[in-house]
Amino acid sequence: DIQMTQSPSSVFASVGDRVTITCRASQGISSWLAWYQQKPGKAPKLLIYAASTLQSGVPSRFSGSGSGTDFTLTISSVQPEDFATYYCQQTNGFPLYTFGQGTKLEIK
Amino acid sequence: EVQMVESGGGLVQPGGSLRLSCAASGFTFSDYCISWVRQAPGKGLEWVANIRPDGSEKYYVDSVKGRFTISRDNAKNSLYLQMNSLRAGDTAVYYCARDTMTPAHSFDHWGQGTLVTVSS
Repeated sequence: DIQMTQSPSSVFASVGDRVTITCRASQGISSWLAWYQQKPGKAPKLLIYAASTLQSGVPSRFSGSGSGTDFTLTISSVQPEDFATYYCQQTNGFPLYTFGQGTKLEIK
Repeated sequence: EVQMVESGGGLVQPGGSLRLSCAASGFTFSDYCISWVRQAPGKGLEWVANIRPDGSEKYYVDSVKGRFTISRDNAKNSLYLQMNSLRAGDTAVYYCARDTMTPAHSFDHWGQGTLVTVSS
């Protein structure tokens, strides 16, 4: 099974800061990685798929990069509505999927 | 507009059974793989099961194999999850999620979730 490890588990930031979240796969997954944002009490929302492709309607301050085993999600200038928990998901193992444990973005 | 609405959650005793439903609309349901994803209280996301568009193949996370059964009725645009031999560890919000069916296979639409509580 492919394991996904996110770091850090939580990150503190101020509005306007640049934030980077990392996701590492236990084996190579090419570019088959997605990122989701989840706010309390809500369903996750797809932000990025195929490691770096922005889902329609997602602000351009979000970007993704990486391939193989190491991936990053970057928010170039954090906005108030971005404080949430972020999850990576490997989709290389389709139809078997795995999520990372999540990274909570909190206000500094 | 794509919509997915789960129902059927509730309180059940350990060892009991529950059947979840997911009603879909706004897209051609029979064209898509659909997954169940769960989230225990205060915890992260866990993929549980998925089913091919025609229902011919089904896949499960190891922890639910032999206890949970995913199924679908394309005529009714509905997805189901039959959960048997429930354990406290199955307590979670259960979401249905649509697979994009591109090589990227991400989940582009989710329901609002239904809470399953396993407790005596």
